[in-house]
Amino acid sequence: GAVVSQHPSWVICKSGTSVKIECRSLDFQATTMFWYRQFPKQSLMLMATSNEGSKATYEQGVEKDKFLINHASLTLSTLTVTSAHPEDSSFYICSARLAGGLMIAKNIQYFGAGTRLSVL
Amino acid sequence: GENVEQHPSTLSVQEGDSAVIKCTYSDSASNYFPWYKQELGKRPQLIIDIRSNVGEKKDQRIAVTLNKTAKHFSLHITETQPEDSAVYFCAAYPGGGTASKLTFGTGTRLQVTL
Repeated sequence: GAVVSQHPSWVICKSGTSVKIECRSLDFQATTMFWYRQFPKQSLMLMATSNEGSKATYEQGVEKDKFLINHASLTLSTLTVTSAHPEDSSFYICSARLAGGLMIAKNIQYFGAGTRLSVL
Repeated sequence: GENVEQHPSTLSVQEGDSAVIKCTYSDSASNYFPWYKQELGKRPQLIIDIRSNVGEKKDQRIAVTLNKTAKHFSLHITETQPEDSAVYFCAAYPGGGTASKLTFGTGTRLQVTL
């Protein structure tokens, strides 16, 4: 299946610093990428939808100035957590959706391995 | 928007028994229903999916059924093994353009005991 690479897998930072997380589709083009946040033992909470070449669409309650998303190419989207604070500590997962392709592959989302962010 | 409910939240079965996880959705326009398996600290892995033009799909020990009229779909795992232990998420996709997105259920923690 398609591979989505997410880096870093784990980051520890001091409060007030910014952290950038990269999400790459390695063997396919992704018009749309998604960023999720997952708390322990909970479901995936969609933060924003990222479309290549346009501004991201944020879910209600997600601060766009806090979580900056850039989708500059069909294979790369980045999430920057600006001025991170301890409450931002979480597991962040990206997902990429195939652009075009056969109907059988339509709408399938492939997930990155996630980034565990710990803010001290 | 779409709302997906998933039951049960936890499920414990003995090795070799079957496990069934059920989901309901609210948007009749939804046309794609994937199931993901997530092991602790790892990425969700697509294990099986079904589209609205079929009622059932099977892949070895895993099967998914879809009832469009009742707006529910289920995951069936037969001959469960310890490696099946994980959290399983169902999801529904409403179709449409690039703005469309998956809505996930709340997850089911499956524990397969020896």
